[in-house]
Amino acid sequence: GAVVSQHPSWVICKSGTSVKIECRSLDFQATTMFWYRQFPKQSLMLMATSNEGSKATYEQGVEKDKFLINHASLTLSTLTVTSAHPEDSSFYICSALQGGNTEAFFGQGTRLTVV
Amino acid sequence: QKEVEQNSGPLSVPEGAIASLNCTYSDRGSQSFFWYRQYSGKSPELIMFIYSNGDKEDGRFTAQLNKASQYVSLLIRDSQPSDSATYLCAVKGFNKFYFGSGTKLNVKP
Repeated sequence: GAVVSQHPSWVICKSGTSVKIECRSLDFQATTMFWYRQFPKQSLMLMATSNEGSKATYEQGVEKDKFLINHASLTLSTLTVTSAHPEDSSFYICSALQGGNTEAFFGQGTRLTVV
Repeated sequence: QKEVEQNSGPLSVPEGAIASLNCTYSDRGSQSFFWYRQYSGKSPELIMFIYSNGDKEDGRFTAQLNKASQYVSLLIRDSQPSDSATYLCAVKGFNKFYFGSGTKLNVKP
């Protein structure tokens, strides 16, 4: 299957700082990328859907000013958690969809800990 | 109402038995259906997907889809301890994937 690389795999940051997570499709062009958040023992919660070159579509209850998503190219999307707080600590996962394909491929995930 | 519903389990089966995992979804317009396996602390990995009514087999795995009942299932034959994980059902609507809460499967040696 196609490869999606997510970086960093884990990060610890201080409360009030911002953290950027990158999601790259290595061997295909991703027309759509999805960002999920997963708290311990819970399912993946879709945060937003981003299409290359356009603004991301956020799910209800997700603050777009706090979780900045940029999908500037067909192989890269970034999620920036701004002014992070301990309650933002979670496992963030991206997935990428190649245009015309049915399945999406997941990155390795990023474990964010805000102290 | 949740988009995708799964029994959280845990579902315990002995090694070598058939494990049956179930999922229901609410959106009749859903196009494709996926089963992912997720080990603790890891990202989900795709097992298989199905988009036509009926059965689809891949090795020890069989996905079953019934669109009229809005029901999709996954059968794992000859279950192995390494199959112990959380199994996530996902449904693709219009350019979005929604996940169920997952069913934890324990395969006992």
